[in-house]
Amino acid sequence: GENVEQHPSTLSVQEGDSAVIKCTYSDSASNYFPWYKQELGKRPQLIIDIRSNVGEKKDQRIAVTLNKTAKHFSLHITETQPEDSAVYFCAATGGTSYGKLTFGQGTILTVHP
Amino acid sequence: ETGVTQSPTHLIKTRGQQVTLRCSSQSGHNTVSWYQQALGQGPQFIFQYYREEENGRGNFPPRFSGLQFPNYSSELNVNALELDDSALYLCASSLGGVRNTEAFFGQGTRLTVV
Repeated sequence: GENVEQHPSTLSVQEGDSAVIKCTYSDSASNYFPWYKQELGKRPQLIIDIRSNVGEKKDQRIAVTLNKTAKHFSLHITETQPEDSAVYFCAATGGTSYGKLTFGQGTILTVHP
Repeated sequence: ETGVTQSPTHLIKTRGQQVTLRCSSQSGHNTVSWYQQALGQGPQFIFQYYREEENGRGNFPPRFSGLQFPNYSSELNVNALELDDSALYLCASSLGGVRNTEAFFGQGTRLTVV
């Protein structure tokens, strides 16, 4: 089955800096890669996703890149703000795991004012 | 808000008991997936229901079972509860059948087994 590795496990940045979180996946048939933000005690919220037919997607301060050959994808947050502080999860699905998300272990992002 | 609701929000059970958790999917969605999230971990896929039928299962024992109803709401049942079953249980609603689409999560049920 699919296996997703996420790094780093914790990330601390100053307000205004950029943050990058990286994930690798094992199943070359995976074709959908969402990113979720989870604040303490709350539900995971979809913040951006990318499909395997594109290499990059951007939504305001958030962008995701995908390298199918290397089987890795990354989340980029620019001009970070304290309210970006949360746990971020990457996930992958597709192929025989259609619709069933395999999550990374999460990254605790702390943005210091 | 996502329109996906779960009940109850918190639950305390004794080891060996049985529990039923409920999920109402977002309007227009026909697929519900259930996940277990242990403290400090990413969600782990339990199983998925698509149009009232189980459509895939993760690495969970048979004492984890489920149902999906004609209105696409869903239940997760866990028998013979163990201490390690203590976790946040999340359901995710999506529109399945054609290609992978966005999955929206409910707020979760925090289950504590004592």
